Amino acid sequence: KAGVTQTPRYLIKTRGQQVTLSCSPISGHRSVSWYQQTPGQGLQFLFEYFSETQRNKGNFPGRFSGRQFSNSRSEMNVSTLELGDSALYLCASSLKGQGTDTQYFGPGTRLTVL
Amino acid sequence: SQKIEQNSEALNIQEGKTATLTCNYTNYSPAYLQWYRQDPGRGPVFLLLIRENEKEKRKERLKVTFDTTLKQSLFHITASQPADSATYLCALDIRGATNKLIFGTGTLLAVQP
Repeated sequence: KAGVTQTPRYLIKTRGQQVTLSCSPISGHRSVSWYQQTPGQGLQFLFEYFSETQRNKGNFPGRFSGRQFSNSRSEMNVSTLELGDSALYLCASSLKGQGTDTQYFGPGTRLTVL
Repeated sequence: SQKIEQNSEALNIQEGKTATLTCNYTNYSPAYLQWYRQDPGRGPVFLLLIRENEKEKRKERLKVTFDTTLKQSLFHITASQPADSATYLCALDIRGATNKLIFGTGTLLAVQP
């Protein structure tokens, strides 16, 4: 079975632009979570989608949004990019979206904002 | 405020010794706790999950303990090997929020040959 894939792997943007990141979960997995990882703040929860609905949200501004499609693929969007948005963005999928499910992480998208 | 703290300093040990990593939390009441391993440039990989009613869990050379009174989890790697060198992260669930994990900042483990 293929693992979680994320595209693109690397991205460079300038302040004020917007960006869309994509995540393809493991086949059959219904839950997709997104995380931001920075050296200073570590791994921070952004949001989680299950069956196309956002179930959980972290403490991020409204510039961060996401969605999930009927095939469980997910996208996250960041509008009006700021320098502080430079980070590794990770998505994780799980089978049934239950908290005790194993989370399978993708390799991440490295976003650099100049 | 809610906090999850792991050894802030890198942990350096000799090959063959037991590595012990700590995860302390305040103002959380997790139903379970998970440990992950992360290598540079890669996403975290799940290792073990322990529930609040379990004191200890083992998997091969790995052992996790969970003390809800002390609000602490210990993660042990016995007979450590240089290949065990990585960052180890603990993660807690948020009660009432299905499938929402809060991660600690991680501990960098370096096993010297």
